[in-house]
Amino acid sequence: NAGVTQTPKFRVLKTGQSMTLLCAQDMNHEYMYWYRQDPGMGLRLIHYSVGEGTTAKGEVPDGYNVSRLKKQNFLLGLESAAPSQTSVYFCASSTGTGSLGNQPQHFGDGTRLSIL
Amino acid sequence: GNSVTQMEGPVTLSEEAFLTINCTYTATGYPSLFWYVQYPGEGLQLLLKATKADDKGSNKGFEATYRKETTSFHLEKGSVQVSDSAVYFCAPGEGSQGNLIFGKGTKLSVKP
Repeated sequence: NAGVTQTPKFRVLKTGQSMTLLCAQDMNHEYMYWYRQDPGMGLRLIHYSVGEGTTAKGEVPDGYNVSRLKKQNFLLGLESAAPSQTSVYFCASSTGTGSLGNQPQHFGDGTRLSIL
Repeated sequence: GNSVTQMEGPVTLSEEAFLTINCTYTATGYPSLFWYVQYPGEGLQLLLKATKADDKGSNKGFEATYRKETTSFHLEKGSVQVSDSAVYFCAPGEGSQGNLIFGKGTKLSVKP
């Protein structure tokens, strides 16, 4: 009963390095999301996907790219990491019933990323 | 655009005290409304939801009523426990793609 699994759980990068965060869900959900959580800012949507092969920008997409090659996976990439991208990243998924956001989201446990 | 205003914390209560966390929102249409809870080191979990006006969502002793006239969805619990210590997020669902918003979270600490 895994739900939403994020890897890695922790990572430290140097400025300018690249990396990919992986999110996998086993609930056959259509919609998937990437958020970042920063103190005092709540959760902010980076990118989302409404189905395999689709992606779209959220509130704070700059500096990030995503891909959804398989329905169960949603990858978040940082091409050239910056200290401002130090954050906790959460992946979530939801069913494709109704409009985006109108169904409960299921969250992973997060990836804590530090950029030095 | 859409917005949500959630009571700022932190909130510190004694065990068995009454809890209210206020949440008001603006949105186009009548979205579903959610409260999520985040325990330390974990992701958010759905606590309760309401899908239409006057609906009351409830779970684990928590309740919230969808008030269309005041655009509010306040979270309440009659008697909190130490295990309720967590961060609580209000979130209106939204039909406009890409416009998902969460409140900034209210940290609750319950002392024995």
